Formats: sequence, C-alpha cells, structure tokens
Amino acid sequence: KAGVTQTPRYLIKTRGQQVTLSCSPISGHRSVSWYQQTPGQGLQFLFEYFSETQRNKGNFPGRFSGRQFSNSRSEMNVSTLELGDSALYLCASSYRDPSYEQYFGPGTRLTVT
Amino acid sequence: AQSVTQLGSHVSVSEGALVLLRCNYSSSVPPYLFWYVQYPNQGLQLLLKYTSAATLVKGINGFEAEFKKSETSFHLTKPSAHMSDAAEYFCAVTGGATNKLIFGTGTLLAVQP
Repeated sequence: KAGVTQTPRYLIKTRGQQVTLSCSPISGHRSVSWYQQTPGQGLQFLFEYFSETQRNKGNFPGRFSGRQFSNSRSEMNVSTLELGDSALYLCASSYRDPSYEQYFGPGTRLTVT
Repeated sequence: AQSVTQLGSHVSVSEGALVLLRCNYSSSVPPYLFWYVQYPNQGLQLLLKYTSAATLVKGINGFEAEFKKSETSFHLTKPSAHMSDAAEYFCAVTGGATNKLIFGTGTLLAVQP
C-alpha cells in the first residue's frame, strides 16, 4: 500500500505571497491532519479534516486554511506569507479515530524569504 | 486539556546500552499515547501506540513502552541501542474522537560507538 505523499517537497516563497500544499492520504483513510514543525515551537497541530469536514482546529491565524476533497486528498493554504511561516509542514492520515494509527508523509519544507 | 512532557532534550548512550526516553502526559480523558521517530529530513514514523488494550506495548525495531496510569508516564525503552537508533523521538497524546496529536518537545538520541 502506498504511503502518504506530499507535494511539493520543497518550496521557496517570498513574504506576502501565498502557497498551497497538497497531501494524498493512504488509500481508504478518511482523516487527514496537518502539522507545522519548527525548531522553536516544535510540532504544532494545524487542523484535521474528516470526510471533507474540518473536525478540529489548532491555534493558528486565519491565514492558514485547509480543505479536503471527496477522494480524501487535502490541501492547505497559507496566505500573506510571513518569515515565521518557514517550517516543515507535515500531513498525517488515518482511518477514523485515534484507535487507528496515524501515518505521516515526508513533509513539505517551506522557506519564506 | 492534554499535554506531554519529555524529560531530556538530548540523551546519549553507548551502542549496546539500554535506551530509556521519558514521557509524562496529562489528559482529562482516557488517553491514546504514541511514540514517533524522526530521522533527519524525513517525516514521522510510528514506533508504537497505547490504546488501552495492554499496558506494555511492543513496537518496531525492538522498542517498547509501558503505560503507567498512577505515574502518568509512557516511557520508551530498548534493551540494546544500535547506531541506527540515532534520531529524534517524539511522544504524543490524544483523546476523544479526533486525531489531534499533542506532541512533546522531542528527545534527540545519540548513540556512541
């Protein structure tokens, strides 16, 4: 079974631009979660989507948004990029709830200059 | 509310020695607990998880963890360290119906020859 895939793997953007990251979950998984990883703040939860609905949201500004499609693929968007948005963005997929494993993708490394 | 504390941001052991990585959690609901490993420039790989089925959980690569409710702990151990175990390890907790993971700050394990 193919793992979680994230595209692109690396991205360089300029402050003020916007960016869209994509995540394709493992086949059959309906839950997709997004995390931001930085050296200073560690791993922080952004949001979770289940069956195209946002099920949970972390403490990030409204510039961070996401969505999930009917095939469970998910995208996250960051508008008006700031230097502090530079991070590794990780996506995780699962069948449904925490009793099932969450599998992580390799991440997208975003650098904002 | 849930939280995780990992004691020791850096742990160094000799090859063949016992590995002990500490994790204490706080949760207002019955927790699900996880240990993940991250190698440089990669995503997170699930080592093991606790979902209340058994207090001693065996994972991949010879790792295991014991859930101790009285101590609110979920420490990760491996009897004999291998050079390939050098990586960063994260303890995480969640609860309820969503997959929102709360991560600890991570422990960087170094294995000396």
